[in-house]
Amino acid sequence: QQQVKQSPQSLIVQKGGISIINCAYENTAFDYFPWYQQFPGKGPALLIAIRPDVSEKKEGRFTISFNKSAKQFSLHIMDSQPGDSATYFCAASKSGSGNTGKLIFGQGTTLQVKP
Amino acid sequence: ETGVTQSPTHLIKTRGQQVTLRCSSQSGHNTVSWYQQALGQGPQFIFQYYREEENGRGNFPPRFSGLQFPNYSSELNVNALELDDSALYLCASSLIKGAGVNTEAFFGQGTRLTVV
Repeated sequence: QQQVKQSPQSLIVQKGGISIINCAYENTAFDYFPWYQQFPGKGPALLIAIRPDVSEKKEGRFTISFNKSAKQFSLHIMDSQPGDSATYFCAASKSGSGNTGKLIFGQGTTLQVKP
Repeated sequence: ETGVTQSPTHLIKTRGQQVTLRCSSQSGHNTVSWYQQALGQGPQFIFQYYREEENGRGNFPPRFSGLQFPNYSSELNVNALELDDSALYLCASSLIKGAGVNTEAFFGQGTRLTVV
């Protein structure tokens, strides 16, 4: 049973543009929502994470927008650069002991930023 | 670099064999979580170890087992390997501070397991 749905599967953006990746979840018990970036042959790297007590969190060029009522959250990459070309995963987990390590991942979005 | 190290980086095994994968957690972390990532898919949670005991398990059969050692490093063991076990195996370390407070999880580079 897929609990976190991610879209689009792939995305092509011009350099300097905005990349937007969306995720939807089903379980209202989820209360931790991180985004990870993965390059080929590497492990996922944490980009930014949000908890449902805020609707937006920004770190540099990366922003998470969170809509609790719609059970959706999204990643916005501003001023996208070719170096941002990677696979991006959203994830979610429920509160509790060790929850930040018990993640349910989306299927991933492959982002290509064209020069 | 996250400070989470995994070994080996690549491994080829025959169907039916057993395999052990190793993970050293980031300094200051006390929890290790293991994931299986099939090609083109998101990682799937296998289990987590905290205080040398299993602290949650995903939908994986008992032939997937693990250990955590006093220095917080961990092993993932898979018995009776099947072709579908071919995947990237990732470990992630984090810190459980207590009272429901947990730090973010950081992943290692993974071990690429191929079962032939």
